[in-house]
Amino acid sequence: AQSVAQPEDQVNVAEGNPLTVKCTYSVSGNPYLFWYVQYPNRGLQFLLKYITGDNLVKGSYGFEAEFNKSQTSFHLKKPSALVSDSALYFCAVRDFRDDKIIFGKGTRLHILP
Amino acid sequence: GAVVSQHPSWVICKSGTSVKIECRSLDFQATTMFWYRQFPKQSLMLMATSNEGSKATYEQGVEKDKFLINHASLTLSTLTVTSAHPEDSSFYICSARANGQGEQYFGPGTRLTVT
Repeated sequence: AQSVAQPEDQVNVAEGNPLTVKCTYSVSGNPYLFWYVQYPNRGLQFLLKYITGDNLVKGSYGFEAEFNKSQTSFHLKKPSALVSDSALYFCAVRDFRDDKIIFGKGTRLHILP
Repeated sequence: GAVVSQHPSWVICKSGTSVKIECRSLDFQATTMFWYRQFPKQSLMLMATSNEGSKATYEQGVEKDKFLINHASLTLSTLTVTSAHPEDSSFYICSARANGQGEQYFGPGTRLTVT
């Protein structure tokens, strides 16, 4: 069965600095990988996905993620953090043979002004 | 982008009553819809997957007689929490997917409080 690990409950970054939110995954086949962001009392907003192709995926709001097959990682990155980036971020994986997406436990990102 | 709505956005009901939550895909046809439950400061737990016109597939540990899911059309799925109890209080989020490889689009969530 597929699984996702987000090792950090919380990440603090000063505004203007680069940020990284870590994610590792486990699937038996080829993975579909996703990042979502959630603001308080709101649903999830799609940021980006990897299905195939270039390992570096660019998404919404200046975020990008790099798929690393050997390390089974899909870390989320942004070159320069904004205070408005503060939110809860979820990594998710789907085995291409399966119908459902499994979410990590989430990482709370705090951007300090 | 694709939009998914949920109604109501929040609901308070008395213990023992039933409550229905609607999930609609507004600008695309959703062949598959998913229902998640999220406890405070926790991740989303998949409850069930439904395909239009078919019975929902429930995850292990989810009571199908308590959480009734209907996916009667390509734009509407409903979740009915029957005989609600305070422990059913949670944030319920639906998502919809247009095709097999597409990403899921999430609704804004419904906060259910059972008193």
